[in-house]
Amino acid sequence: DAGVTQSPTHLIKTRGQQVTLRCSPISGHKSVSWYQQVLGQGPQFIFQYYEKEERGRGNFPDRFSARQFPNYSSELNVNALLLGDSALYLCASRGDRDNPYEQYFGPGTRLTVT
Amino acid sequence: AQTVTQSQPEMSVQEAETVTLSCTYDTSENNYYLFWYKQPPSRQMILVIRQEAYKQQNATENRFSVNFQKAAKSFSLKISDSQLGDTAMYFCAFMKGYNNNDMRFGAGTRLTVKP
Repeated sequence: DAGVTQSPTHLIKTRGQQVTLRCSPISGHKSVSWYQQVLGQGPQFIFQYYEKEERGRGNFPDRFSARQFPNYSSELNVNALLLGDSALYLCASRGDRDNPYEQYFGPGTRLTVT
Repeated sequence: AQTVTQSQPEMSVQEAETVTLSCTYDTSENNYYLFWYKQPPSRQMILVIRQEAYKQQNATENRFSVNFQKAAKSFSLKISDSQLGDTAMYFCAFMKGYNNNDMRFGAGTRLTVKP
């Protein structure tokens, strides 16, 4: 079975631009979460979506938004990019039945803002 | 708010030896879950071991085991018979309750296994 996939792998943007990151969960997983991992730190929770509804939001500005599609894939959007948004963005999915407490992480998207 | 602290930024161990990584957390919750994740240089975060707070028995997964001290809010990871492939960043994480994906991570410990 395919794991969590994310695209693109790397991305370079300029301050003020907008970016969209994509995530496909493991087949059958309805919950998708997004995390930001700044170099040298642990991941920080941004959003959780379950069945296309936002179920949780971390302490991030409104420049960050996300959505989940009927096939449970998800997009994370960041507007008006700042240098401090440079980070590894991780997506994680979780199943309902097999192990509801275990999150499966994707390889991440490395965003560099110049 | 829940916080997770890993006080050892870097550690090293000789191959085949045992190493223990420390983690403390702060919460007022009674029902929660604790995790250790491994992030190799390839970046993919992998779950190593999980502990439910309501279970008194320490979790074990092959060479990996934890020492969960609920009263002390301590959750250390012991790696036995260390292997070169264990070289990675290790993150301790906390999640309160079921169906709550607001997982809080520590800053991580970089473990190097030396041949």
